[in-house]
Amino acid sequence: AQKVTQAQTEISVVEKEDVTLDCVYETRDTTYYLFWYKQPPSGELVFLIRRNSFDEQNEISGRYSWNFQKSTSSFNFTITASQVVDSAVYFCALSPTSGTYKYIFGTGTRLKVLA
Amino acid sequence: EAQVTQNPRYLITVTGKKLTVTCSQNMNHEYMSWYRQDPGLGLRQIYYSMNVEVTDKGDVPEGYKVSRKEKRNFPLILESPSPNQTSLYFCASSLSIRGLNEQFFGPGTRLTVL
Repeated sequence: AQKVTQAQTEISVVEKEDVTLDCVYETRDTTYYLFWYKQPPSGELVFLIRRNSFDEQNEISGRYSWNFQKSTSSFNFTITASQVVDSAVYFCALSPTSGTYKYIFGTGTRLKVLA
Repeated sequence: EAQVTQNPRYLITVTGKKLTVTCSQNMNHEYMSWYRQDPGLGLRQIYYSMNVEVTDKGDVPEGYKVSRKEKRNFPLILESPSPNQTSLYFCASSLSIRGLNEQFFGPGTRLTVL
């Protein structure tokens, strides 16, 4: 079965704290893609990052970083020095590549960054 | 401007009254999809389309229909809406059917079925 689990329903942090959002996935595919999307309070869904199953390099983009570990089937997202503008719901998603063209999203993590 | 548009943005209707939510993209994307977003359940895929005249069920297709007669349009049809279809709906598109492409989302349609 294909599945994405975001066990953290809601996280609150104070501005400038670091925060990590967890994402654990299940798939039998050897080739697959993982994504993170952001949904700010305004409601739109915004793509943040894509990672394929063969690339386990961590990625850093400004204050954002992603840690992909196939051994633990995790694709975690860290925000360093959080800001109020980071307040949003964050979704992790899985796109398998064999047998189906479905996308599977996690249930999302609501991040509240308090000033 | 590259975008996915949805109409209407808000809709209140009554049980059993057929409705259509339109979705259009101007990026010549192959893949289009519909999702519903409900509290605590995240985004769940309703239907998707790999190209014109090719559609398939997602995880929650019951009570919905779709069609893809043109590459740019992918309407969502609720033939007999029920209150449990009250939700926030998103249309999305991506360049190709291969999973490597990110999805571009429309602004969402908030549907209330009384």
